[in-house]
Amino acid sequence: GQQLNQSPQSMFIQEGEDVSMNCTSSSIFNTWLWYKQDPGEGPVLLIALYKAGELTSNGRLTAQFGITRKDSFLNISASIPSDVGIYFCAGFDYKLSFGAGTTVTVRA
Amino acid sequence: DSGVTQTPKHLITATGQRVTLRCSPRSGDLSVYWYQQSLDQGLQFLIQYYNGEERAKGNILERFSAQQFPDLHSELNLSSLELGDSALYFCASSVATSGGRTGELFFGEGSRLTVL
Repeated sequence: GQQLNQSPQSMFIQEGEDVSMNCTSSSIFNTWLWYKQDPGEGPVLLIALYKAGELTSNGRLTAQFGITRKDSFLNISASIPSDVGIYFCAGFDYKLSFGAGTTVTVRA
Repeated sequence: DSGVTQTPKHLITATGQRVTLRCSPRSGDLSVYWYQQSLDQGLQFLIQYYNGEERAKGNILERFSAQQFPDLHSELNLSSLELGDSALYFCASSVATSGGRTGELFFGEGSRLTVL
């Protein structure tokens, strides 16, 4: 089955920093998506990408669908405390397959 | 609030028992997906239903079964429970254009199952 490799596994952010994370796959996907999960909640869709090479923004979030259709990245600009949580990449063909997640924590 | 409702939110039971988790999708959504989230396995796709029919199957154990009813709510049945079945179980729904090919899923808050 498909395997999505998401990195980094975890990161610490300082308010105001730009951060990025990425996801690679052994398989081609027609759709790449990024979700965020807060503690005690279900994942929430942040950005969906439907076309290879597509660059899409949602507020301070920017994501790109890789040209090879096997990768995607997510950037968060000017981090704020509420950006903490777990970010998941996901690839969709007939089902949604998730990466292992990137845990974002505020640096003390 | 995603509009997807899951009950119960928490469930504690013993090994060997059977439980049923219930999901009401967003109004108008025809597709329902079930996912299992555990610490060591991440979010694992179990099964998808579209308008009452099974559409796709993932890593769902034979001890687990699901169905989607005419009113579009879905139930996930877990039987002969083992310690390793302890996890968060999420239901998600989607608008699902023909064939359900959007990937834009709306998740409920999950049902946390603890098997002792």
